Amino acid sequence: KQEVTQIPAALSVPEGENLVLNCSFTDSAIYNLQWFRQDPGKGLTSLLLIQSSQREQTSGRLNASLDKSSGRSTLYIAASQPGDSATYLCAAQGGSEKLVFGKGTKLTVNP
Amino acid sequence: GAGVSQTPSNKVTEKGKYVELRCDPISGHTALYWYRQSLGQGPEFLIYFQGTGAADDSGLPNDRFFAVRPEGSVSTLKIQRTERGDSAVYLCASSFIGEAYNEQFFGPGTRLTVL
Repeated sequence: KQEVTQIPAALSVPEGENLVLNCSFTDSAIYNLQWFRQDPGKGLTSLLLIQSSQREQTSGRLNASLDKSSGRSTLYIAASQPGDSATYLCAAQGGSEKLVFGKGTKLTVNP
Repeated sequence: GAGVSQTPSNKVTEKGKYVELRCDPISGHTALYWYRQSLGQGPEFLIYFQGTGAADDSGLPNDRFFAVRPEGSVSTLKIQRTERGDSAVYLCASSFIGEAYNEQFFGPGTRLTVL
């Protein structure tokens, strides 16, 4: 059974700092790894999807990497801004199409 | 274009009542998913439709939960004899299966409160 863990559970940083969010998964037989953002009381916004054959994906200030062999993914946020404050969730997708989520990292970027 | 929509956005009901939650996926998406998110947790899978049929319902917690997608578009999640433990945010997602990857797009969710 796939299990996804995110560390840290919460993170507070000053504006402008570069930061890394970590995601680990127990079953390396995944098809995709997807990162989401969730604002309070809102649904999930897809940020990046990394296919199992890829090592990383980039979108603007965001860069996500995937290491299947070690069961890890990281989300790198460059030059953080207060508007980046949200909960970030990672989810692993295996052959059954369903996503298995971590509990998320709550990020606060202080002005 | 329009994203995934869910109605109602909030639903308050009493223990023992029946509720229906609706999901309208992105036009053209073949797959539809239901997840449930409790406070402080990540979403948990409930059921997945490919077209009109439930391809995987392994996440439904018990037989009080049922979902349909009769025409391969809109889906309804039905909960009978609601219990306080059913209180959560119910999220719907859709995707287009057939590409090399399967990116799921989520709706805003329905917050269900069972009193």
